[in-house]
Amino acid sequence: GQSLEQPSEVTAVEGAIVQINCTYQTSGFYGLSWYQQHDGGAPTFLSYNALDGLEETGRFSSFLSRSDSYGYLLLQELQMKDSASYFCAVTGGYQKVTFGTGTKLQVIP
Amino acid sequence: NAGVTQTPKFRVLKTGQSMTLLCAQDMNHEYMYWYRQDPGMGLRLIHYSVGEGTTAKGEVPDGYNVSRLKKQNFLLGLESAAPSQTSVYFCASSYSIWQENMNTEAFFGQGTRLTVV
Repeated sequence: GQSLEQPSEVTAVEGAIVQINCTYQTSGFYGLSWYQQHDGGAPTFLSYNALDGLEETGRFSSFLSRSDSYGYLLLQELQMKDSASYFCAVTGGYQKVTFGTGTKLQVIP
Repeated sequence: NAGVTQTPKFRVLKTGQSMTLLCAQDMNHEYMYWYRQDPGMGLRLIHYSVGEGTTAKGEVPDGYNVSRLKKQNFLLGLESAAPSQTSVYFCASSYSIWQENMNTEAFFGQGTRLTVV
């Protein structure tokens, strides 16, 4: 099966940097994704890592270490609108996508 | 481009009633998924499909059935609704990993809020 662990809540100050970690267990692995979800909304895609290393997309970066079954999402120059839940998701065998329980990020002034 | 469309957006059912949630995507995606989201539980996979005419069980399939008769549609059925099925249901679709630069970005519908009383 597949399982993921990530912190349940994180608080950070506007303008700062925050890192959200994710560890996973999976049978078969294609990649690790990150999604953002605002209250009452649908999850939206942020990033995808299939290979080890860092992927950067604007203020957001995502890292993957397949040997450690570990990844993280890095958010820089935090803005109030970044307050949301962030989910890591593993794409495993048969392209089955399994989500973590989510990290609720609160950005404070 | 509508993306992924779910109907209905809201529904209240009585225990024991049945209903079907419809998911339609216009991106020619091979893969489609049904998730339920409950507070503190993240998104849990109910069933998914790797192509027209195929379905597979996810983490929490009991009490649900699905069908993928057409590539663009993925239906989720509740034969006899129970209060434990009160949840927000999300449908998602994605490209095949072997097509779009190995990226398996999932596109989500806006969700269906289901309450079973």
